[in-house]
Order: sequence, then C-alpha cells, then structure tokens
Amino acid sequence: DAGVTQSPTHLIKTRGQQVTLRCSPKSGHDTVSWYQQALGQGPQFIFQYYEEEERQRGNFPDRFSGHQFPNYSSELNVNALLLGDSALYLCASSLRGISVGNTIYFGEGSWLTVV
Amino acid sequence: AQSVTQLGSHVSVSEGALVLLRCNYSSSVPPYLFWYVQYPNQGLQLLLKYTTGATLVKGINGFEAEFKKSETSFHLTKPSAHMSDAAEYFCAVSVTASGGSNYKLTFGKGTLLTVNP
Repeated sequence: DAGVTQSPTHLIKTRGQQVTLRCSPKSGHDTVSWYQQALGQGPQFIFQYYEEEERQRGNFPDRFSGHQFPNYSSELNVNALLLGDSALYLCASSLRGISVGNTIYFGEGSWLTVV
Repeated sequence: AQSVTQLGSHVSVSEGALVLLRCNYSSSVPPYLFWYVQYPNQGLQLLLKYTTGATLVKGINGFEAEFKKSETSFHLTKPSAHMSDAAEYFCAVSVTASGGSNYKLTFGKGTLLTVNP
C-alpha cells in the first residue's frame, strides 16, 4: 500500500519564478492538505482540497494556489516566488466524513529553495 | 482558536534515560491531540493520537502520552531512550471545520531530542 508520495523531492528556483509541486494521496484517501514548514518551525497549514474544491485555507497569500484532480491527486502552485518561500512543503492525506480524529498521513515533502 | 506550546526547543537525554517532551494546548472545544516525529530530511510520522476515551495513549516505538484536561497538557514520555529516538517531535491539535469532520492540524514549534551514548 503506497503512502503519500510527493514530487519533486528537491528543487531550486529564482525569485519571481513560479513552482508546481505534486502529491498523490494514500490509497483510499480523498482529502489532501498542504503544509509549509520553514526551517526550525512546525508545519503551517496552507489549504485543503476535497472533491476538487478548496475547502479550507490558512493564512497564506493568493500567490499560493492549488488544484485537486478526479483521482484525488493534488498540485500546489506558488507564483512570484520570494526568498521567504524557501521551505519544506508537506502534503497530507486523510479520509473525510468518517470521524474527527482520523489519522492524517504525511508525505516526505518537497524541499524548495528560492535564490 | 486552537494553539499548541511545546516547552523546550531542545531536550538532551542519555541512552536508557526517561524521555519527557512537554506539550500544552489551548482549545475552546474538546481537543484531538497528536504527536508526530520527524527524522532528518523526512516527512512526519504519527506516533500516537488522543481522540476520546482512555486518557493514557500508547503509540509506536514505546512512546506514550497522557491527556490531562485540568492541566491542558499532553506530554510525551518513553521510559528508556534509544539512540534511534533522536529526531524532532511535534505536538499538534486538530481544528474541526464547521459543518463536519474535516479538519486541519495546528502544530507546535517542535522539540529536538538528542540521545547521548
């Protein structure tokens, strides 16, 4: 049973560029969330997708956008990159609608460096 | 709004010693609490979670945590540290979205555990 998979694992971008990160949820999961983890900090919630729609959003600017596909996989897009966007981006998957407290599974993350 | 405070950004113990990592939470509703571990250059792995029922929760790798409502705490313990326990540990509280079971996690800043031989 494959867990949450993310790509790419590492990438370097220049300020002002755009980046797309990809995530495939754990088998059977229908909800995907994205988190940003800056160096030395805990992960911070960016947004969550379910049924191909953004359902919840954290305190992140509109430069951060996403998409969920019919197969439940997801993309995170960041436009006009800033140096401060350098971080580990974690994808998490879960199953909606059963009960609160369902386990959220995380991928290995994508390391983004903005230079 | 929910929040989590982890006391001590760095804890150092000797191999075989007790591990105690502290977590206090703030929540206006009954919380769901989690401990995750992150090994270097890896994602997050769930150690244990508290939802309802028994307040002493046992997790993987010999870790356990006790939910104490009166103290708003969810401290993580392990009786005997092993070198392989060296990692960063995150306490998290769930935030329930309005209208249902969907939720997100609010994390503490993490505690780095080092284990000395």
